[in-house]
Amino acid sequence: GAVVSQHPSRVICKSGTSVKIECRSLDFQATTMFWYRQFPKQSLMLMATSNEGSKATYEQGVEKDKFLINHASLTLSTLTVTSAHPEDSSFYICSARVGAGGPGAYNEQFFGPGTRLTVL
Amino acid sequence: KQEVTQIPAALSVPEGENLVLNCSFTDSAIYNLQWFRQDPGKGLTSLLLIQSSQREQTSGRLNASLDKSSGRSTLYIAASQPGDSATYLCAVRPPLPGGSEKLVFGKGTKLTVNP
Repeated sequence: GAVVSQHPSRVICKSGTSVKIECRSLDFQATTMFWYRQFPKQSLMLMATSNEGSKATYEQGVEKDKFLINHASLTLSTLTVTSAHPEDSSFYICSARVGAGGPGAYNEQFFGPGTRLTVL
Repeated sequence: KQEVTQIPAALSVPEGENLVLNCSFTDSAIYNLQWFRQDPGKGLTSLLLIQSSQREQTSGRLNASLDKSSGRSTLYIAASQPGDSATYLCAVRPPLPGGSEKLVFGKGTKLTVNP
């Protein structure tokens, strides 16, 4: 139980294009999902918290107009990197929080396999 | 501001050795602490989660301890195997209620187990 998937696993795009990354909880409902970014040899840094049916909460320094988050259902959140530039190249990982009655420990976060974004 | 430090940054051991990975955090007020494993280019696999009221958790050859007052946690791996080679991440979560669900991660310890 508590499987989180991401699609695509890898994407290469040209500068100026937009890229959408999907995060799905496969066997549980996730009212809250999180988007992280990881640069090489660095810690994961939280970008935003996504709540189903409401606006995402962004961390300080993260541009909400550049990183659009939509959490339209209890099993799907999407991150769209708009007008991507080479400095946006990174490893993007989502996680989903388990609520009461779900697998794992209450409030535990389970992570997806990540999406490697390369902007040329 | 919570900061998480993991020492050492890298560790190389021969197969079969028992080893300890260290994690320290600056603010002892936490809700829980979680240890993850990350293989190269992959996502995170949760290994152990310790609630703030607990002192340790065990899963197979893994044992994690938590000393909240001193801001420390250790991950003990018994009888290491080459398949244990990965980066191990420690993360803490602020307390509830009202606290952010934001996990604060260390940079990880890259473990290599040599056959």
